Amino acid sequence: GQQLNQSPQSMFIQEGEDVSMNCTSSSIFNTWLWYKQDPGEGPVLLIALYKAGELTSNGRLTAQFGITRKDSFLNISASIPSDVGIYFCAGRTGANSKLTFGKGITLSVRP
Amino acid sequence: NAGVTQTPKFRILKIGQSMTLQCTQDMNHNYMYWYRQDPGMGLKLIYYSVGAGITDKGEVPNGYNVSRSTTEDFPLRLELAAPSQTSVYFCASSYPGGNRGDTQYFGPGTRLTVL
Repeated sequence: GQQLNQSPQSMFIQEGEDVSMNCTSSSIFNTWLWYKQDPGEGPVLLIALYKAGELTSNGRLTAQFGITRKDSFLNISASIPSDVGIYFCAGRTGANSKLTFGKGITLSVRP
Repeated sequence: NAGVTQTPKFRILKIGQSMTLQCTQDMNHNYMYWYRQDPGMGLKLIYYSVGAGITDKGEVPNGYNVSRSTTEDFPLRLELAAPSQTSVYFCASSYPGGNRGDTQYFGPGTRLTVL
């Protein structure tokens, strides 16, 4: 089946720093999504992308749908302690297909 | 709205025991899902349902069963618990598929340990 690759598994940054994370696949996806999971909670949708090349922002978060449709990027600017959590990319290959989730990146922010 | 609620929050089972994980949503969503999350492994889809009376297998259905008698409820049944089923289980719901279905609303999870 389709796989979404996220690495590294963990990232450690200083408060105030920017951080980028990406998600890649060997398959083409028509939809790219970024979810965040706070400790002890379920994931929450941050950004959804539907067109190749699309760049979308949500506050300090910016995500892009790669031109090849095989990757997506999430940037967090000026990180704060509440950015701590697991960031999952997810994607769909078609209108009626189920979501495929990446393994997630655990972000730690040092004050 | 309470959103998606799951019970219990924690449970320890012995090998071979059975249990039902409860999931209820009050958003009138047609679509509901069960995922399991293992450390470093992301979310794996166990079963999903597109409406009352309709269920289908996901990526990892073995060892689990589901039913969907109402729009609101989507219980997950473990018949013979095995250590491999130790995991955190998330229930989610959404509007019908396509772009609206991408916003899946997750419950707080049930942490299950099988010893």
